[in-house]
Amino acid sequence: NAGVTQTPKFQVLKTGQSMTLQCAQDMNHEYMSWYRQDPGMGLRLIHYSVGAGITDQGEVPNGYNVSRSTTEDFPLRLLSAAPSQTSVYFCASINRESYEQYFGPGTRLTVT
Amino acid sequence: AQSVTQPDIHITVSEGASLELRCNYSYGATPYLFWYVQSPGQGLQLLLKYFSGDTLVQGIKGFEAEFKRSQSSFNLRKPSVHWSDAAEYFCAVKPQTGANNLFFGTGTRLTVIP
Repeated sequence: NAGVTQTPKFQVLKTGQSMTLQCAQDMNHEYMSWYRQDPGMGLRLIHYSVGAGITDQGEVPNGYNVSRSTTEDFPLRLLSAAPSQTSVYFCASINRESYEQYFGPGTRLTVT
Repeated sequence: AQSVTQPDIHITVSEGASLELRCNYSYGATPYLFWYVQSPGQGLQLLLKYFSGDTLVQGIKGFEAEFKRSQSSFNLRKPSVHWSDAAEYFCAVKPQTGANNLFFGTGTRLTVIP
């Protein structure tokens, strides 16, 4: 039982490049989320999904796309990276009975 | 406006001393309340949570938290801090209605000195 996995752990992009942050969970949770963490700002919700085929925006969705084709996977796409997207990104899956969120180890992204 | 506030950005305590980290929330109805810990370079781990009932909640690693409705607070405590407790601590809430998303405070970084 790996829990929530994220790849890559580190990534450096140039402005304008695109990439996909991968997230997978093996707990059969329907609910998954993406957060970004910036110094002094805590974690802010980017997008979330309540099940396969269903996604919605969080607090800071601009510049990010998501899709959810399977229960296990919830990738986050940056179509045209900007320096303001330099951050640490966390994926989480949520137990709907206990509301406990299980976090992945994070992806540290730098956009130059 | 709805908010979660952690007033202390950074706290330093000596090993063996007691610890209290503050968390205040502003929501119409009492939300579900959580404390998470993040060790350097790691993801977040749940310490404890409060939904209802007994206002003193026990968690992992010897932590506890007390819910005080009159003060809209959910402060985290530990009687004797260990060097391994050095980390960042986040208070989070989930409103009782609506989506299952959590809203996080800005975090308190704990330094433990020998």
